[in-house]
Amino acid sequence: DAGVIQSPRHEVTEMGQEVTLRCKPISGHNSLFWYRQTMMRGLELLIYFNNNVPIDDSGMPEDRFSAKMPNASFSTLKIQPSEPRDSAVYFCASTLDRLTEAFFGQGTRLTVV
Amino acid sequence: EDQVTQSPEALRLQEGESSSLNCSYTVSGLRGLFWYRQDPGKGPEFLFTLYSAGEEKEKERLKATLTKKESFLHITAPKPEDSATYLCAVLFDSSNTGKLIFGQGTTLQVKP
Repeated sequence: DAGVIQSPRHEVTEMGQEVTLRCKPISGHNSLFWYRQTMMRGLELLIYFNNNVPIDDSGMPEDRFSAKMPNASFSTLKIQPSEPRDSAVYFCASTLDRLTEAFFGQGTRLTVV
Repeated sequence: EDQVTQSPEALRLQEGESSSLNCSYTVSGLRGLFWYRQDPGKGPEFLFTLYSAGEEKEKERLKATLTKKESFLHITAPKPEDSATYLCAVLFDSSNTGKLIFGQGTTLQVKP
């Protein structure tokens, strides 16, 4: 298995632009997590899905952030409009079920200028 | 409030100098505790899962233990290639859905 695949690996965008991050979880995994990592705040859980259904989005910083999981093999995290403070590394992770270890993608490094 | 705290934030060791990293937690409905290793520019890599107090897991120079309030990651005779950030994460299941929360991590540097 190729593991969790995220794209793009790097994204540089101007303030105010829409950004879409993509994630393909490991086949057969039922839970998917989006995290944001910064030096100041570490790994923060943004949202997680179980069987494609959003379970907890309390970590989404504000309405500019939205996430979808239209099917078991694809999820997106969208930021519209983007701001410089959104600059961070965004990770997607998936688990076989809700009680097992999470496997992470390589992350998307987002820079908003 | 559910919290996961790791200490120390940073640790510098000489090669061969054993030590321990700490992860303490205050969560309700703990269902599991995970240790990860993260190298610069990469995603966290899974190391261990611990599910109940008293449980221990080992892998090469690493040994993880769990009590009711904290977990330790013991590093025996570390080598420079053990240098990385070590993250602990707690899975709690208060609403039967599974929520994974990470500590801030301990950055370990092992000098030859």
